[in-house]
Amino acid sequence: QVQLVQSGAEVKKPGASVKVSCKASGYTFTSYGISWVRQAPGQGLEWMGWISAYNGNTNYAQKLQGRVTMTTDTSTSTAYMELRSLRSDDTAVYYCARVPPHNGPLDYWGQGTLVTVSS
Amino acid sequence: SYVLTQPPSVSVAPGQTARITCGGNNIGSKSVHWYQQKPGQAPVLVVYDDSDRPSGIPERFSGSNSGNTATLTISRVEAGDEADYYCQVWDSSSDGVFGGGTKLTVL
Repeated sequence: QVQLVQSGAEVKKPGASVKVSCKASGYTFTSYGISWVRQAPGQGLEWMGWISAYNGNTNYAQKLQGRVTMTTDTSTSTAYMELRSLRSDDTAVYYCARVPPHNGPLDYWGQGTLVTVSS
Repeated sequence: SYVLTQPPSVSVAPGQTARITCGGNNIGSKSVHWYQQKPGQAPVLVVYDDSDRPSGIPERFSGSNSGNTATLTISRVEAGDEADYYCQVWDSSSDGVFGGGTKLTVL
């Protein structure tokens, strides 16, 4: 069964960085991409970007360009999302989700990781 | 950038049919995916590629897409269907785009 298991909650100060992990199992990791999606408290879903687990190609949301980096480690079937220069409005639950090739649906999701940015 | 517009809320009585719309410029030319999110939980895919259902999703969930509007239809609504629903597409730059979400209330 496909599973995406994310790392635990984080509390960070403004200006710091956070790196969230997403460990995949139950499928061939390099045959799919991973998208990252965040959800601020009481708000809707916001797409952050996508990475190909096959070749590492990335596509980031324009508003996060320069602050976000997505990577994968194929040896451990793990995807990572690093967000830098954190601000209070980055406080959100961060999700990873599997994406089939050719821009398919986000068909399996991780459980979410709460990142709180507070001084 | 591409914009998807959903009604903030839809209310329906148990056993009736709920229709949740997702508006976008010529959305009929794109593949639309729908997600259900219950409080405190991760989203779940309920309809993909306009009208297909993942395994395990009841046949009561269906979708359509034409022109400038895609629609998620939930037949014979149950109390357990109460949730937020989001539509999603990939735009011409391969950026993911979500609608603002619709809260479905079962009266």
